[in-house]
Amino acid sequence: QVQLVESGGGLVKPGGSLRLSCAASGFTFSDYYMSWIRQAPGKGLEWVSYISSSGSTIYYADSVKGRFTISRDNAKNSLYLQMNSLRAEDTAVYYCARGAVARLDYWGQGTLVTVSS
Amino acid sequence: QSVLTQPPSVSGAPGQRVTISCTGSSSNIGAGYDVHWYQQLPGTAPKLLIYGNSNRPSGVPDRFSGSKSGTSASLAITGLQAEDEADYYCQSYDSSLSASVFGGGTKLTVL
Repeated sequence: QVQLVESGGGLVKPGGSLRLSCAASGFTFSDYYMSWIRQAPGKGLEWVSYISSSGSTIYYADSVKGRFTISRDNAKNSLYLQMNSLRAEDTAVYYCARGAVARLDYWGQGTLVTVSS
Repeated sequence: QSVLTQPPSVSGAPGQRVTISCTGSSSNIGAGYDVHWYQQLPGTAPKLLIYGNSNRPSGVPDRFSGSKSGTSASLAITGLQAEDEADYYCQSYDSSLSASVFGGGTKLTVL
């Protein structure tokens, strides 16, 4: 069965960096677009970034452009999100999900990122 | 404000029917892009509920249905049950933003 498992969240100071990972299993990872979506405490869903199956097409929300970098390793069935220059407003649960422009048909359980001094 | 507008909350008694609207514009729903719906139970990750405007993934009860007309879409839940209490989000693609967007979410309370 399809599984997406995020890791790498934690507490970081403003201006700091964090790298999130998403381990995928149960499907042919290299066939699918993948996305990162976040949810601030008590708030709605916000698309952060997506990447095409080959990695050639990438999208970033304006709120993270220039600070976050999405990547993938199809040989390792893994998706990554490098987050630099973190701000308090980046505090959220970060989900990886299968899909992008179309539907997001599977989601991970999420990993919490807290940016605070 | 979200590009897709949903009511912040709806409620209904067990057994009743409720609908949740998702209002967009000519650059998203009105342009013909599909609408998808997600259910987020308390403390859990979102789950795909309806895709392609009106299709249910395997395992989703037929009490849940979706429709789309013009620049809006709707999620209907019939035979409301206590376990339906959750947040619901719509999602579509917006050509002016060149990005997928979510609605602001609707909290469903089962009275």
